Amino acid sequence: QKEVEQDPGPLSVPEGAIVSLNCTYSNSAFQYFMWYRQYSRKGPELLMYTYSSGNKEDGRFTAQVDKSSKYISLFIRDSQPSDSATYLCAMIRRNRDDKIIFGKGTRLHILP
Amino acid sequence: EAQVTQNPRYLITVTGKKLTVTCSQNMNHEYMSWYRQDPGLGLRQIYYSMNVEVTDKGDVPEGYKVSRKEKRNFPLILESPSPNQTSLYFCASSLKGPYFDEQFFGPGTRLTVL
Repeated sequence: QKEVEQDPGPLSVPEGAIVSLNCTYSNSAFQYFMWYRQYSRKGPELLMYTYSSGNKEDGRFTAQVDKSSKYISLFIRDSQPSDSATYLCAMIRRNRDDKIIFGKGTRLHILP
Repeated sequence: EAQVTQNPRYLITVTGKKLTVTCSQNMNHEYMSWYRQDPGLGLRQIYYSMNVEVTDKGDVPEGYKVSRKEKRNFPLILESPSPNQTSLYFCASSLKGPYFDEQFFGPGTRLTVL
């Protein structure tokens, strides 16, 4: 079983819809969780960073962590065509060795 | 402008010909890292550096070398490139490390090894 699993998509949704992106992980040592957004031909950029179970909200984005299920989610409300990108989850282990493990990324298309 | 720069952006080379991809940041960051991104495999860490003269292996270090002689620069060296190193490479930096704060990524270097 891979350490981090993420459905590569593509996921196509109409503008204005709520988008749900997910990752599962197998190693309970992961304690710090991030979501990155990557536009075509660009480097990734950090969207959200969480370290505890529960929800964290930032504008139209909500990151959710469920450590008991080893499951993290990113919700995008009122999705816009400019949200079309690849979204990567990422995790760091509890021992903070600064090695970061990325999911494979989910390609998202918001249809105008 | 705060940024991470990489050069070259595109490179086509042949098996066995040594090459260096440069990475430079102007944010006085201590942490720098190299990643490769491949279809179906995602983003994988090659090497990282916590500070000058401090480097460590990531998940896929085989076939790569790095050095950190100055804080701002973190070159990636392929001593004898092979076709399986054809990939999109990203350099990234952060003030202290991804555990502490945001990583800033460079624009990427697309490498093809024939």
